[in-house]
Amino acid sequence: KNQVEQSPQSLIILEGKNCTLQCNYTVSPFSNLRWYKQDTGRGPVSLTIMTFSENTKSNGRYTATLDADTKQSSLHITASQLSDSASYICVVIQTGANNLFFGTGTRLTVIP
Amino acid sequence: DSGVTQTPKHLITATGQRVTLRCSPRSGDLSVYWYQQSLDQGLQFLIQYYNGEERAKGNILERFSAQQFPDLHSELNLSSLELGDSALYFCASSVSLGEGAEGYTFGSGTRLTVV
Repeated sequence: KNQVEQSPQSLIILEGKNCTLQCNYTVSPFSNLRWYKQDTGRGPVSLTIMTFSENTKSNGRYTATLDADTKQSSLHITASQLSDSASYICVVIQTGANNLFFGTGTRLTVIP
Repeated sequence: DSGVTQTPKHLITATGQRVTLRCSPRSGDLSVYWYQQSLDQGLQFLIQYYNGEERAKGNILERFSAQQFPDLHSELNLSSLELGDSALYFCASSVSLGEGAEGYTFGSGTRLTVV
């Protein structure tokens, strides 16, 4: 069964600290994996796109990793800011199909 | 502004009623996708249209239907509404039938509250 699981479900960190969010998937065949940031009541916004051959990709303070062998991805946030408070959603896309599989997200709260 | 426009932003209606949600895709995008996000739940794929034709169906109830018009805007119709239909409904668009080079772009959503 194609699934995407994220952990932790929620996370509270102090401003300026780093954190890492995890995504494990069983989707096959694999096309690519995306991390989205979703502010409360808003639509998801793409942060990174990881293809099969990419291990690490950075977007500012966000760094995503992908291990296609173990089917795991992580999103590392450096020097967190209050504006990082949001849900972070991992999405895995199947090859050759229009199927997107969404994780339920990690809700990150950054406190001063 | 993502370029995907959804209206209305908020909708409150009573059980048993029917509502229509509207989505205008980003300029140049031919595919439109509809998703439902219930409270504290992940995004659930409902249905996809490409250039006016239905191309993929997810967990969409029979009480729900959608269409895409010649100008490529799409409408999601929800009928015989139940309390459990209260959710955020997102529309996303992409250039091609599958995932375009630029990927999927989401609108800001319509928050539906059924009372």
